[in-house]
Amino acid sequence: QQPVQSPQAVILREGEDAVINCSSSKALYSVHWYRQKHGEAPVFLMILLKGGEQKGHDKISASFNEKKQQSSLYLTASQLSYSGTYFCGTESDSGNTPLVFGKGTRLSVIA
Amino acid sequence: GAGVSQSPRYKVAKRGQDVALRCDPISGHVSLFWYQQALGQGPEFLTYFQNEAQLDKSGLPSDRFFAERPEGSVSTLKIQRTQQEDSAVYLCASSLVFWGYGNQPQHFGDGTRLSIL
Repeated sequence: QQPVQSPQAVILREGEDAVINCSSSKALYSVHWYRQKHGEAPVFLMILLKGGEQKGHDKISASFNEKKQQSSLYLTASQLSYSGTYFCGTESDSGNTPLVFGKGTRLSVIA
Repeated sequence: GAGVSQSPRYKVAKRGQDVALRCDPISGHVSLFWYQQALGQGPEFLTYFQNEAQLDKSGLPSDRFFAERPEGSVSTLKIQRTQQEDSAVYLCASSLVFWGYGNQPQHFGDGTRLSIL
């Protein structure tokens, strides 16, 4: 079942922070986060595995709450280059199932 | 090249024609995935290969869709007797090893934008 992302769209000024949420009705094994700019390939950001971990690099980090079946992506001190559509992809806990992607969150960072 | 390469970048076909879309994965990548992405939507899984073996084709929408990866590297997605609802971006992704779908990052190509008239 497709995960639900929120918000659907957000506009930020440079330097502002944002949180993007990804919720599933199924128990999850992993959550992937990707960013896609218009007409380009989705670019891998990070994977979070079952176990309730948090990851991050630079000013982008994410958490995975296994009990809530939810992941959040945190963007701090946003830059113009952060603009794009962010997708979460989830793998269910039953294992070895294809990733199911959400509909995406469109992020626009303006000067 | 260093990334996943897909060709053609754009394809326009008349309804009823057959089309073939090519994917060159990153060299040495064992796993290869095909996705369909409709406008304003996330990628939707079509099929998965581990080397030359097609291990999952549960996402192929009909028997008009066929994929192959005969030598475990380049893959072709073929759509027969195309219909307007086949219009979408077709994305290919590869990953280094297979540990299950969720353990490895997938590296995507830029996709083929297919338009059926």
